[in-house]
Amino acid sequence: NTVMTQSPTSMFISVGDRVTMNCKASQNVGTNVDWYQQKTGQSPKLLIYGASNRYTGVPDRFTGSGSGTDFTLTISNMQAEDLAVYYCLQYNYNPFTFGSGTKLEIK
Amino acid sequence: EVQLVETGGGLVQPGRSLKLSCVASGFTFNNYWMSWTRQAPGKGLEWVASITNSGGSTYYPDSVKGRFTISRDNAQNTLYLQMNSLRSEDTATYYCTRGNLSPFDYWGQGVMVTVSS
Repeated sequence: NTVMTQSPTSMFISVGDRVTMNCKASQNVGTNVDWYQQKTGQSPKLLIYGASNRYTGVPDRFTGSGSGTDFTLTISNMQAEDLAVYYCLQYNYNPFTFGSGTKLEIK
Repeated sequence: EVQLVETGGGLVQPGRSLKLSCVASGFTFNNYWMSWTRQAPGKGLEWVASITNSGGSTYYPDSVKGRFTISRDNAQNTLYLQMNSLRSEDTATYYCTRGNLSPFDYWGQGVMVTVSS
């Protein structure tokens, strides 16, 4: 199975910060990577599909990049409503596999 | 507005069966792949099953293959997950998801399944 390794596990941030989190695939997955946001008590929401495409309605402070094995989600100008756990997903290989998540917490 | 509403969860004993349903609205159901994804309490996300828009093909990870069956009724805009031989490790919130630009571009609110004696 393709392992998706996310880092860091958690981050303590302040409103207005620029936040960068990473996801590394154990094999080449092309650009078949999504990023999801899950706030406490809610279901996940798609943010980025195809590694770098912002989903409908997602603010432009969210940017995805990468291809092959290394992927990045960047939040410029962090807002309080962005506090959540962020997951990456690869769908290049069966089974589809998620990373273990990066949790954003207030400093 | 896209809506996915899951039902059928609850407490079930190990080895028993349970069937989840997901009623879809707000989009043309038979145009979309559909999937189930789950999340154990306090844990991450795990893909469980997917089905093509016609229902002609289904896909599972090894963890549930042979025990779970995904199906759909396009006339009723409903997705199902039949879960047999349930184990304690199947305890999770199960989400119905729609696939379009991504395998999981829209998620329901989830339904809890607890496997315990």
